[in-house]
Amino acid sequence: DTGVSQNPRHKITKRGQNVTFRCDPISEHNRLYWYRQTLGQGPEFLTYFQNEAQLEKSRLLSDRFSAERPKGSFSTLEIQRTEQGDSAMYLCASRKNRAGNTEAFFGQGTRLTVV
Amino acid sequence: GENVEQHPSTLSVQEGDSAVIKCTYSDSASNYFPWYKQELGKRPQLIIDIRSNVGEKKDQRIAVTLNKTAKHFSLHITETQPEDSAVYFCAAIHNTDKLIFGTGTRLQVFP
Repeated sequence: DTGVSQNPRHKITKRGQNVTFRCDPISEHNRLYWYRQTLGQGPEFLTYFQNEAQLEKSRLLSDRFSAERPKGSFSTLEIQRTEQGDSAMYLCASRKNRAGNTEAFFGQGTRLTVV
Repeated sequence: GENVEQHPSTLSVQEGDSAVIKCTYSDSASNYFPWYKQELGKRPQLIIDIRSNVGEKKDQRIAVTLNKTAKHFSLHITETQPEDSAVYFCAAIHNTDKLIFGTGTRLQVFP
């Protein structure tokens, strides 16, 4: 599978623990996006990268959330001191950045359950 | 801030009828408008997209129209089939290249 890959697929954690998710984008894609999706809602923008540079982080995102893309390839999303309200599907998407715009491809997501 | 509104939130149609989903966007500099289909438990997948220099685009039973003046764009599905049942999301690329999604429309096609 040469698409966007996310790991783990599922994560159950106790409240207060830290969790880290990984996203491997399609190799030639320089844009990488993180979204959070809860049941019945659309993907909510969290943050995005152009290569290794983080361009924007949602104002709705608390300081407990941090993302990195150290070499401009894979990215990690860390949530510190998890809360029950963090339970959601975390989606990663990647796309090329070129004139004319291009399709964003999604990974399968990481489903986080905070108990 | 950037915003994409989507209506209706649910839509039920009889097989063979048409379905229309509407979205509005806030950033007049947005220039790319994709539509995604998400089946239960699966990732969103692109079904059609339109760029701001085009008013309409069609691909078999699906079409998208764009009204830049009104900042509206719509998805049209004709001759609906039960396998069209899913959640559909509109999205807009804002001038910062940020991809923002609507809240989704759950489409149910009854046989």
